[in-house]
Amino acid sequence: SQKIEQNSEALNIQEGKTATLTCNYTNYSPAYLQWYRQDPGRGPVFLLLIRENEKEKRKERLKVTFDTTLKQSLFHITASQPADSATYLCALDTNYGGSQGNLIFGKGTKLSVKP
Amino acid sequence: EADIYQTPRYLVIGTGKKITLECSQTMGHDKMYWYQQDPGMELHLIHYSYGVNSTEKGDLSSESTVSRIRTEHFPLTLESARPSHTSQYLCASKGILAGVNEQFFGPGTRLTVL
Repeated sequence: SQKIEQNSEALNIQEGKTATLTCNYTNYSPAYLQWYRQDPGRGPVFLLLIRENEKEKRKERLKVTFDTTLKQSLFHITASQPADSATYLCALDTNYGGSQGNLIFGKGTKLSVKP
Repeated sequence: EADIYQTPRYLVIGTGKKITLECSQTMGHDKMYWYQQDPGMELHLIHYSYGVNSTEKGDLSSESTVSRIRTEHFPLTLESARPSHTSQYLCASKGILAGVNEQFFGPGTRLTVL
């Protein structure tokens, strides 16, 4: 079955630096890979989706890459701010071949941005 | 801000009690989901629904049950709560015409069974 690994449980960086979070999966390459943000005591909030035929997707200070050869996605936050501190979840579509299925989630990486 | 609501937000209850966690969405979405999440752990899908009168079990076995009588409403019921049911329960929905598999989450219900 598909397994997701997010590089570390916690990542601490200084304000203004670029945060890079890693998501690795073990089995088939999903049609879609997504990133969510979760704040303590709240439900996840969707940030970005990238399709298997896309190499990179950007949204404001966020950038996601998707390498199906490495079975890896990288999530970057540039010019990080303390308000970016949260847990970031990687999620994969369970269907292979383009049709949308359910999502499976990684444990997340807790990002702390220090002023 | 997503239009998906969960009540109660927090619930402390004794063993053996029957409880229902409420979830409602006003976006007209057909697909709805229930996830269970323990602190520091990943979300596990326990139930989902493709629409009215459709309910399916998710990847994680759960003693809870769900119903979908109306599009906007997807309640989860535990007939007899046990301490092992202590967890955070998250409800989500997805529009079938959304074009992308983006899920909108409610704020969650934190359940503690004593």
